[in-house]
Amino acid sequence: QVQVVESGGGVVQPGRSLRLSCAASGFAFGNHGMHWVRQAPGKGLEWVALISYDGSNKNCADSVRGRFTISRDNAKNTVYLEMNSLRAEDTADYYCVKEDIGAFESWGQGSLVTVSS
Amino acid sequence: QSALTQPRSVSGSPGQSVTISCTGTSSDVGGYNYVSWYQQHPGKVPKLMISHVSRRPSGVPGRFSGSKSGNTASLTISGLQAEDEADYYCCAYTGNYIYVFGTGTKVTVL
Repeated sequence: QVQVVESGGGVVQPGRSLRLSCAASGFAFGNHGMHWVRQAPGKGLEWVALISYDGSNKNCADSVRGRFTISRDNAKNTVYLEMNSLRAEDTADYYCVKEDIGAFESWGQGSLVTVSS
Repeated sequence: QSALTQPRSVSGSPGQSVTISCTGTSSDVGGYNYVSWYQQHPGKVPKLMISHVSRRPSGVPGRFSGSKSGNTASLTISGLQAEDEADYYCCAYTGNYIYVFGTGTKVTVL
């Protein structure tokens, strides 16, 4: 069955960096776009970033552009989110999501990132 | 990248129908058929309920349906059941590999 498992979350000070990883299994990873979606405590869903199936196309939300970078390693069935210059407002659960042609089909359990001094 | 506009809450009695609107612009909801809907129960992971405006994934009950007119998409729950009480989010593709979610709607079953 399809599985996406996030790791790498934790508590980090403002201005510091953190890298999230997402290990995928149960599907042809190299055939699907992958996304990161976040949800701040008690708030709604916010799309963060997308990388196409082969990594040739990617983009991110205005709120993280210039600070966050999405990447993937199809040999390892893994997608990453490199987060730099973290701010308190980046505190959220970060979900890794498998795309199925424009829809977020399969979600991980989420990885909590807390930005606090 | 402004969030799509959804009503903060809707409610209905068991068996009734409720409709949630999702209003965007001609650059997102109105520009592409990549509109999807997600259900999220408290403390749980979001679940895909509708893709491509009106497609229902396998396993999603038939009482959930989606549609779109112009810059507004809608999710209708017919024959409301207690387990449908949850938060619902729409999402739309805006072009250039960018997506945007709606503000979210809390559905209450009276």
